[in-house]
Amino acid sequence: QSALTQEASVSGTVGQKVTLSCTGNSDNIGTYTVGWYQQISHGAPKTVMCGNSLPSGIPDRFSGSKSGTTAYLTISGLQPEDEADYYCSTWDRSLLVQVFGGGTRLTVL
Amino acid sequence: EVQLVESGGDLVQPGGSLRLSCAASGFPFNVFTMHWVRQAPGKGLQYVSNILSNGNTYYADFVKGRFTISKDNSKNTLWLEMGSLRAEDTAVYYCGRTQDGSFLDWGQGTLVTVSS
Repeated sequence: QSALTQEASVSGTVGQKVTLSCTGNSDNIGTYTVGWYQQISHGAPKTVMCGNSLPSGIPDRFSGSKSGTTAYLTISGLQPEDEADYYCSTWDRSLLVQVFGGGTRLTVL
Repeated sequence: EVQLVESGGDLVQPGGSLRLSCAASGFPFNVFTMHWVRQAPGKGLQYVSNILSNGNTYYADFVKGRFTISKDNSKNTLWLEMGSLRAEDTAVYYCGRTQDGSFLDWGQGTLVTVSS
């Protein structure tokens, strides 16, 4: 059981907007920046969002937000190359560990 | 350009030991929190351990007493000493640097296989 809760799977068509969610509590998401990580075919994770900051080289169709204890990753204008597993993660000040979501499999139809 | 390069992964017998290394470059290594994260075959990402800039260390419960994280700021290198290895420790191990809870960069990973 992961400390952060993500949808197991999400799908969308090319050009569509999709939003992935990541729910935690006040000790983790409510306090710290949430990162989002893309993993294609179990290759190395790639950071696509740090809070609401877009890392260099990541397309601006990716955006991040947070409301209370839930973080969101929105992909506007879905592309075939966005098909991947997406994980969220942040620090937990109570557990004193980095917590991860179980991952969302994004399928581009 | 930030680079994190892991090495040291290998096939090891249950009960054995292994030392993973992560060579860092392209950023002030002594300033950042560094992590080890693993991924077992077909599973999600799993936190293993991290070390703060001040040297404080933290561990996941399942590795406490078996793994030790350390770093040498003069060598820009992070290590993970792994002991009493079990089959369930089989995974790709990634190092990463974080800021305020988010990973900024990841290495390419190194495979540890625990099997007789």
